[in-house]
Amino acid sequence: DQQVKQNSPSLSVQEGRISILNCDYTNSMFDYFLWYKKYPAEGPTFLISISSIKDKNEDGRFTVFLNKSAKHLSLHIVPSQPGDSAVYFCAASAVAGGTSYGKLTFGQGTILTVHP
Amino acid sequence: DTGVSQNPRHKITKRGQNVTFRCDPISEHNRLYWYRQTLGQGPEFLTYFQNEAQLEKSRLLSDRFSAERPKGSFSTLEIQRTEQGDSAMYLCASSVQGVNTEAFFGQGTRLTVV
Repeated sequence: DQQVKQNSPSLSVQEGRISILNCDYTNSMFDYFLWYKKYPAEGPTFLISISSIKDKNEDGRFTVFLNKSAKHLSLHIVPSQPGDSAVYFCAASAVAGGTSYGKLTFGQGTILTVHP
Repeated sequence: DTGVSQNPRHKITKRGQNVTFRCDPISEHNRLYWYRQTLGQGPEFLTYFQNEAQLEKSRLLSDRFSAERPKGSFSTLEIQRTEQGDSAMYLCASSVQGVNTEAFFGQGTRLTVV
């Protein structure tokens, strides 16, 4: 039961262009969404997040968009740089019974390659 | 840098042996999580501590797995009678208490069972 899905295993982009990574979820209880970036042999690094009360959050070159009706979110990276090459994970958490434990459900990840 | 620290970084063990991993969270974080990641997959939740209390365990955590956080600071994850299917990256994360707080991950412990 994959509640968070990243359907594109990989994405290749030219330096300077926009990278768009997509994520779909099925659990309507999810109310907080995060993107993590992971380099080989390292743990995931937090990138950006968005609460379900918003539809957009921006941080420098990174913007996350949330479409609650479609249960879809995306991460835009503009402009893309070779150092952005990594695996990107979408994650979601839910408030259950009025309490948020912060437990994350992750997608399978998308490998982003930015070519110089 | 006082990020999340995990030890060891790598562990190779023979099938049937017991292994123990340690996680030191960010000092002011009272929430601590263990996740497991296998090749080509995202991290999967194993268990969660708030201070010293273990509040949730995934069904992935069989009875061969046990986790502790005795004083609400560092945590240990022990796997008894390891199997080849236990080979994975074990990740620890910590966060502050509250709604919508991001978790910070350690570098993980890569376990290989031979």
